[in-house]
Amino acid sequence: AQSVTQPDIHITVSEGASLELRCNYSYGATPYLFWYVQSPGQGLQLLLKYFSGDTLVQGIKGFEAEFKRSQSSFNLRKPSVHWSDAAEYFCAVGDSGYALNFGKGTSLLVTP
Amino acid sequence: EAQVTQNPRYLITVTGKKLTVTCSQNMNHEYMSWYRQDPGLGLRQIYYSMNVEVTDKGDVPEGYKVSRKEKRNFPLILESPSPNQTSLYFCASSFGSGIHSYEQYFGPGTRLTVT
Repeated sequence: AQSVTQPDIHITVSEGASLELRCNYSYGATPYLFWYVQSPGQGLQLLLKYFSGDTLVQGIKGFEAEFKRSQSSFNLRKPSVHWSDAAEYFCAVGDSGYALNFGKGTSLLVTP
Repeated sequence: EAQVTQNPRYLITVTGKKLTVTCSQNMNHEYMSWYRQDPGLGLRQIYYSMNVEVTDKGDVPEGYKVSRKEKRNFPLILESPSPNQTSLYFCASSFGSGIHSYEQYFGPGTRLTVT
């Protein structure tokens, strides 16, 4: 089965600083990759997706991610973090049965 | 407003008492799915449905049942809940058209505690 690894369990960033959340996938062919965000007490919201084509994808809320096949990575970035970005972030890869295999998540804390 | 709704949002029950968590979507989506989220394990798929009367097992189906009698509804049934089913449950839906089935919209979650 396809899988993703998010190496960082927790990340702390100062408001206004840049952000990069790491995601590595395990899959032989071109994977379908996603980033979701979960705010406290909320469901998951899709930030962006990659199916094919341009390896730099833009999402909502000012986020972007870059697919790097050579590194098996799909890292999420934002140039300037806002306090409202504090949340749990999940990377996911599409698997059989249209299931999403999620990483264990990265918890983002934003400090003043 | 396009949304996936789940009820109840919170439920505390006892071992063996049958329960149903409802899920409904108003986006005319063909694909629906249930996940459970546990600390340190992330989200895992329980069951999914490609369309009415078409359901299949996900990664962790044991102890759960589902049905899809209407396109908009996909209830999750625990016929004899056990403490190891204490978890946060999410329903999701998407258009059932190829790879776009992966673009899933999630409900707000149901926190279930089985004592």
